Amino acid sequence: QVQLVESGGGVVQPGGSLRLSCAASGFTFSSFAVNWVRQSPGRGLEWVAFVRYDGTTTKYADSVKGRFTISRDNSKNTASLQMNSLRVEDSAIYFCAKDNTPRWDHDAFDLWGQGTVVTVSS
Amino acid sequence: DIQMTQSPATLSASVGDRVTITCRASQSIDSWLAWYQQKPGKAPKLLIYKASSLQSGVPSRFSGSGSGTEFTLSISSLQPDDFATYYCLQYNSNYPWTFGQGSKVEIK
Repeated sequence: QVQLVESGGGVVQPGGSLRLSCAASGFTFSSFAVNWVRQSPGRGLEWVAFVRYDGTTTKYADSVKGRFTISRDNSKNTASLQMNSLRVEDSAIYFCAKDNTPRWDHDAFDLWGQGTVVTVSS
Repeated sequence: DIQMTQSPATLSASVGDRVTITCRASQSIDSWLAWYQQKPGKAPKLLIYKASSLQSGVPSRFSGSGSGTEFTLSISSLQPDDFATYYCLQYNSNYPWTFGQGSKVEIK
């Protein structure tokens, strides 16, 4: 079954850390870039981070640059988002999403996970 | 950053109506635009990519047009399953990629 499954969300205090995971199945994971996108009532849909299909390039939204790190392990068909120095405004549903076209660097996202909820609160 | 202005924010329509949603980019994005449909509690679903290409499995009543800074999503004959929120996404090669604020299609 072609799918992405996120995990790792939870409740954390401001300044804390969380690591989100995205497990892929049913397709050749190593051929597709992966993105993290978050959604909150106040900020709508917001692209957060990108990692190239081979892991050689990463990009970040300014709002998370220096605090979040995206990575992938193609041998395990997983992508991760390490989130440090979390802020209240990072509270959101976090989705991982794959690119539509193999071995392409800028593309629409055709497959999304179900999302994992991150709540940053004291 | 490229800003995406989507309109209308809310649209009331009836089954069978033709519906049009617009996205305007703050600078040219060529045809690097996608449209998504989202229902409550679900992830967005890709409808259109590269401004006018219909994603596999998406009904042909959905269509996209435009290039540069102005884009439209049209639904030729609204069906009960189409009541949802629609978002545009620009994915020009210059990061960050940005979404529109969303357009909610409600039952009239």
